[in-house]
Amino acid sequence: NAGVTQTPKFQVLKTGQSMTLQCAQDMNHEYMSWYRQDPGMGLRLIHYSVGAGITDQGEVPNGYNVSRSTTEDFPLRLLSAAPSQTSVYFCASSYSSTGGYGYTFGSGTRLTVV
Amino acid sequence: GQSLEQPSEVTAVEGAIVQINCTYQTSGFYGLSWYQQHDGGAPTFLSYNGLDGLEETGRFSSFLSRSDSYGYLLLQELQMKDSASYFCAVRGGPMDSNYQLIWGAGTKLIIKP
Repeated sequence: NAGVTQTPKFQVLKTGQSMTLQCAQDMNHEYMSWYRQDPGMGLRLIHYSVGAGITDQGEVPNGYNVSRSTTEDFPLRLLSAAPSQTSVYFCASSYSSTGGYGYTFGSGTRLTVV
Repeated sequence: GQSLEQPSEVTAVEGAIVQINCTYQTSGFYGLSWYQQHDGGAPTFLSYNGLDGLEETGRFSSFLSRSDSYGYLLLQELQMKDSASYFCAVRGGPMDSNYQLIWGAGTKLIIKP
């Protein structure tokens, strides 16, 4: 019962580099999302998906891309890293986006851009 | 615009009861959720209120009043392990991030022995 698995747990990037944060869930959840969390702030939605092949932008999508080719996987791609993208990134999944079933979160990726 | 307000910090004594409030302003409303997050950890789901009233889950209860745009999380018989940040989240309407969850900034609960 792995739940939501995120890799890597820690990453340091140089400005301008690109990378992909991986997220996989084994609960057959249709809904998946990516959040970033900055100190003293709540979670801010980057992108989300309501099923394979369907993605949409959240509150702070600039500088990030996503794709959803399977139900299980929802990778987040940083196109050209900037110091402003230093943050903790969480992937979450749920049976639906309504919130009523609760979201299951991965353990997070702590990203530093220098 | 959309907003959620919750206190930034609450302090309580072990064994006591504490209430964390959340007021929201959104164009639509489809439910209020509560999450717990320990330092360095991931948020974990605690409760959901879709209708007015009280929901109880063990030592934790959550209340919603849609007419007041207000809810709270009640923690009873506080234990040191309850020291964490607590977030309220509201599922808003089409004008609120397209029905996605909107999150408060979190309340840090400090428990003293």
